[in-house]
Amino acid sequence: AQTVTQSQPEMSVQEAETVTLSCTYDTSENNYYLFWYKQPPSRQMILVIRQEAYKQQNATENRFSVNFQKAAKSFSLKISDSQLGDTAMYFCAFGAQGGSEKLVFGKGTKLTVNP
Amino acid sequence: DVKVTQSSRYLVKRTGEKVFLECVQDMDHENMFWYRQDPGLGLRLIYFSYDVKMKEKGDIPEGYSVSREKKERFSLILESASTNQTSMYLCASSPGGVTNEKLFFGSGTQLSVL
Repeated sequence: AQTVTQSQPEMSVQEAETVTLSCTYDTSENNYYLFWYKQPPSRQMILVIRQEAYKQQNATENRFSVNFQKAAKSFSLKISDSQLGDTAMYFCAFGAQGGSEKLVFGKGTKLTVNP
Repeated sequence: DVKVTQSSRYLVKRTGEKVFLECVQDMDHENMFWYRQDPGLGLRLIYFSYDVKMKEKGDIPEGYSVSREKKERFSLILESASTNQTSMYLCASSPGGVTNEKLFFGSGTQLSVL
């Protein structure tokens, strides 16, 4: 069974600075997908970024980028130029390719961006 | 944009009541999911469905059942609510045929069982 671990329950950062959220996972699968989801105070979960395990290039979406280390089973999220609207819970998630579509989520990291 | 609508944002029920949580999506998605979110535990999958009238157990199905009579609607049923089912319930959907396409979530139902 796959597991996803987020070791930082809470983090804070000053506006305009850079912050990195960590995520590690455990799997015996070779083909899979990794995700970061954001849950703001409004509770609506939205996808931040998605990475296919077979791609060596790290995914990037505007101010959000990942550091994907397949051998280390690590998938960290970097937020550059942090904004107040980035304040949210962030969940790392794993999905195995070819299996059922369900995702396994980590326990989340609460990020607060301070003005 | 895809919209996933959960019928109630907040719900208060009594122990032993039968509770229905409704979820509707408007983008003809094949897959629908029910997750439970608890502080410090993240999201845990209760049930999911690939198609109408099809359902599969997730990681924590005990005490729950589901119904999918129409493609757009996926209901979570608590047959006899208990206090340990007090939680945030999140519904999600995704298109079929594409492995691990992103999930679209509703805004959640915060259920309190007294």
